[in-house]
Amino acid sequence: NAGVTQTPKFRILKIGQSMTLQCTQDMNHNYMYWYRQDPGMGLKLIYYSVGAGITDKGEVPNGYNVSRSTTEDFPLRLELAAPSQTSVYFCASRAANTEAFFGQGTRLTVV
Amino acid sequence: QKEVEQDPGPLSVPEGAIVSLNCTYSNSAFQYFMWYRQYSRKGPELLMYTYSSGNKEDGRFTAQVDKSSKYISLFIRDSQPSDSATYLCAMSVDAGGTSYGKLTFGQGTILTVHP
Repeated sequence: NAGVTQTPKFRILKIGQSMTLQCTQDMNHNYMYWYRQDPGMGLKLIYYSVGAGITDKGEVPNGYNVSRSTTEDFPLRLELAAPSQTSVYFCASRAANTEAFFGQGTRLTVV
Repeated sequence: QKEVEQDPGPLSVPEGAIVSLNCTYSNSAFQYFMWYRQYSRKGPELLMYTYSSGNKEDGRFTAQVDKSSKYISLFIRDSQPSDSATYLCAMSVDAGGTSYGKLTFGQGTILTVHP
């Protein structure tokens, strides 16, 4: 049982480059979330989705985009990377009455 | 004012000590309260989950919720070096209703238990 899988684990980007952080879950969960974690700041919600084709902004959505074409996948897109987007990104999924399961994270550095 | 406040520590205790971790919150709509444990370079894992005010015990861990004071705690008894991790409190308004189970996290407390 893979749970929530994120790729890549690490990435270094140059300012202005773009990339997609991949997230897939095999638990048939409707709800999926992207969080970022900065040192000493806890996790902040970037975007979330309540099902295929439905997404909405969280607390810190600027500079990011998402799509949800299938139940399993919820990619996060950075179009013009900035140093402020250096962070650890976590994807999570849950069903309506279950706990949230987190992936192992993607550690992103923008230089 | 942040919705959820948590003392970031760090907290260093000897093996066998009782550890107390705390969070306060300002949003009275929060109904679900969680504690996550996060080992270095790993994703958060759910440790405790409570809905109502009161205590919930699971082995060496006790979660306490006081909704009237907007205060939650996690107690770890007989702490072990393997308990060394970052502990995050998290809260949500619902489990999947109109707020879609979105979690609001505290800053996390770094705990080190030394032998």
